[in-house]
Amino acid sequence: DTAVSQTPKYLVTQMGNDKSIKCEQNLGHDTMYWYKQDSKKFLKIMFSYNNKELIINETVPNRFSPKSPDKAHLNLHINSLELGDSAVYFCASSPRQVQGNTIYFGEGSWLTVV
Amino acid sequence: AQTVTQSQPEMSVQEAETVTLSCTYDTSESDYYLFWYKQPPSRQMILVIRQEAYKQQNATENRFSVNFQKAAKSFSLKISDSQLGDAAMYFCAYFASGGSEKLVFGKGTKLTVNP
Repeated sequence: DTAVSQTPKYLVTQMGNDKSIKCEQNLGHDTMYWYKQDSKKFLKIMFSYNNKELIINETVPNRFSPKSPDKAHLNLHINSLELGDSAVYFCASSPRQVQGNTIYFGEGSWLTVV
Repeated sequence: AQTVTQSQPEMSVQEAETVTLSCTYDTSESDYYLFWYKQPPSRQMILVIRQEAYKQQNATENRFSVNFQKAAKSFSLKISDSQLGDAAMYFCAYFASGGSEKLVFGKGTKLTVNP
């Protein structure tokens, strides 16, 4: 059973398009995240949601809009895609209190903008 | 702001030997957690080991152990009896409980294991 699953795993699209990446976790966690890993493999948080509420927005362009219909899902919608959006996007989840627990990552979604 | 520094962009080790990956961090928090994640070419993020800052005892997981020096803000990872499957990017990460609740990552160390 996949704990944190993301779809699609690979996505190639043209500049200017709008695309979405879906994420679901079956761990019963309260908090979900989106991280971006750039071409230099640097991982940086984009968003964090707790029980469907946004708690972290790390100065991400407003072309990126996360949506959390329930605490098990956190989707990422990207408008007007740019070349610089090419990256691997990781969804992750954790219990509300990290004490003694860990952030679990999905397998990543490889986005290529051409 | 919290920062995590991995000063070794690349490291190599012979199979069956031991290697240590360095990590330092900067924080004013007293309660936090430190992690090492492994990322193989598949890009999956795999937790290797976790350390709670309030624990003095260094964490160990089979061939993986850490040297946690809280005063020096140092958190190095030791891999014993290195195996070919250990080849990957290794990321050190910091999480402050009661803080902004996000993992802050270092830039990673690429580990090569030579047969």
